[in-house]
Amino acid sequence: DGGITQSPKYLFRKEGQNVTLSCEQNLNHDAMYWYRQDPGQGLRLIYYSQIVNDFQKGDIAEGYSVSREKKESFPLTVTSAQKNPTAFYLCASSIDWTRAFFGQGTRLTVV
Amino acid sequence: GENVEQHPSTLSVQEGDSAVIKCTYSDSASNYFPWYKQELGKGPQLIIDIRSNVGEKKDQRIAVTLNKTAKHFSLHITETQPEDSAVYFCAASGAGSARQLTFGSGTQLTVLP
Repeated sequence: DGGITQSPKYLFRKEGQNVTLSCEQNLNHDAMYWYRQDPGQGLRLIYYSQIVNDFQKGDIAEGYSVSREKKESFPLTVTSAQKNPTAFYLCASSIDWTRAFFGQGTRLTVV
Repeated sequence: GENVEQHPSTLSVQEGDSAVIKCTYSDSASNYFPWYKQELGKGPQLIIDIRSNVGEKKDQRIAVTLNKTAKHFSLHITETQPEDSAVYFCAASGAGSARQLTFGSGTQLTVLP
């Protein structure tokens, strides 16, 4: 089945650690996105990529980094510079900036 | 940049009644307006979308209307069922550098049996 797979589903990070969230899609979509969702709030864009080896900052990119070495993969690293990383992280992909399909999310908690 | 406001933040309806959620957007260049349904602990699922060259779109019990002049769009769910209970998000995107989706803050819909 085609779709977007995010892993892990739950992730715990210690203070000062970097962690990487995985996002893989087999939909042959060019565009991929990372969103952050906080309780009771909408989705805020962290980074997006329109094509392999290219990505752009979204509204809240500080403390995050990404790479796009393959069309299928768009991993997100939450660095120690992100002061409040506890949130639900969602990856999405789309063929032409419309009809974005989302993964099931990764819940990151700082311990 | 684009700003999307969504109302109400919570909505309770009796099973079988209709539910309406409204959104307004700020950028007149926005031309694509999707609606997503998010169940607890899951990723959002696209349920319907509309482009700016269309005023209304229906899919079974779900419909979306768009008023470009007033810059607002609405989701209508008829004959609501308990499984419609979820958080619903509207979004808008435009052209060029504004093509990424900007989301509203969500509406928690509860359908009471």
